[in-house]
Amino acid sequence: NAGVTQTPKFRVLKTGQSMTLLCAQDMNHEYMYWYRQDPGMGLRLIHYSVGEGTTAKGEVPDGYNVSRLKKQNFLLGLESAAPSQTSVYFCASSLGHTPSTDTQYFGPGTRLTVL
Amino acid sequence: RKEVEQDPGPFNVPEGATVAFNCTYSNSASQSFFWYRQDCRKEPKLLMSVYSSGNEDGRFTAQLNRASQYISLLIRDSKLSDSATYLCVVLPGSARQLTFGSGTQLTVLP
Repeated sequence: NAGVTQTPKFRVLKTGQSMTLLCAQDMNHEYMYWYRQDPGMGLRLIHYSVGEGTTAKGEVPDGYNVSRLKKQNFLLGLESAAPSQTSVYFCASSLGHTPSTDTQYFGPGTRLTVL
Repeated sequence: RKEVEQDPGPFNVPEGATVAFNCTYSNSASQSFFWYRQDCRKEPKLLMSVYSSGNEDGRFTAQLNRASQYISLLIRDSKLSDSATYLCVVLPGSARQLTFGSGTQLTVLP
C-alpha cells in the first residue's frame, strides 16, 4: 500500500496562474482533508470531504476549490494564485467512522511558492 | 486567543534526559486529544492519543487535565531519534475536524 500520495511535490507559480494538487489514498478511507502549514501557524484545514461526491469548508477555504469525484482522490484547486498562498500543503485521510479515535494519515506534502 | 497553544521551544536536551511539553486548549467542550510528531520537512504522524486517565507508551506518557484545560507529553530517556516537532491536536466538542497547535520543537543532543 502506498498510503496517501500527493502530486506534485514542488511547484512554483506566478501570481494569477492556476493549478491543481492531487491527493490519492489506497486505504479505502471515507474522509479526506486538505491542510496548509505556515511557519508558526500550525496546520490549518482548508477543505474536507466526508465521502465521495461531498465537500465542506474548513477554517481557511477562500481562494481554493476542491472536488471528490472518486473516493480515492481529493483534488485541491487554486484558480488564481496569490503570494499569500505560498505554503506547504498536506493532504490527509481517515476512516471517518469515529472522529474521537480516528487516526489521520498524511501525505508527504506539496511545497508551493507563488511569486 | 488561539484554540490550541504550545510553547514553540526549541527545547534542546542531552541524550537520556527527561523532557515535558504542555499544551493548552480553549474549548472546554473538547473531547479528544492527541500528540502528533512531525520530522523536519516531513508529514505529521500520530504519536499517541491522550486519555482522561493518562496513558503511557514506552518512554512516552501523556496526561490530560480537564479542569485546567491542558495536556502534557513526557518523554523519558530521550534518544537522538526523538528530535522532531511535537504537535498538540484537539477535537473540539462535536466537531469532526482536528485543531492543531503550532508545535514544540525538540532537539536531543549527543
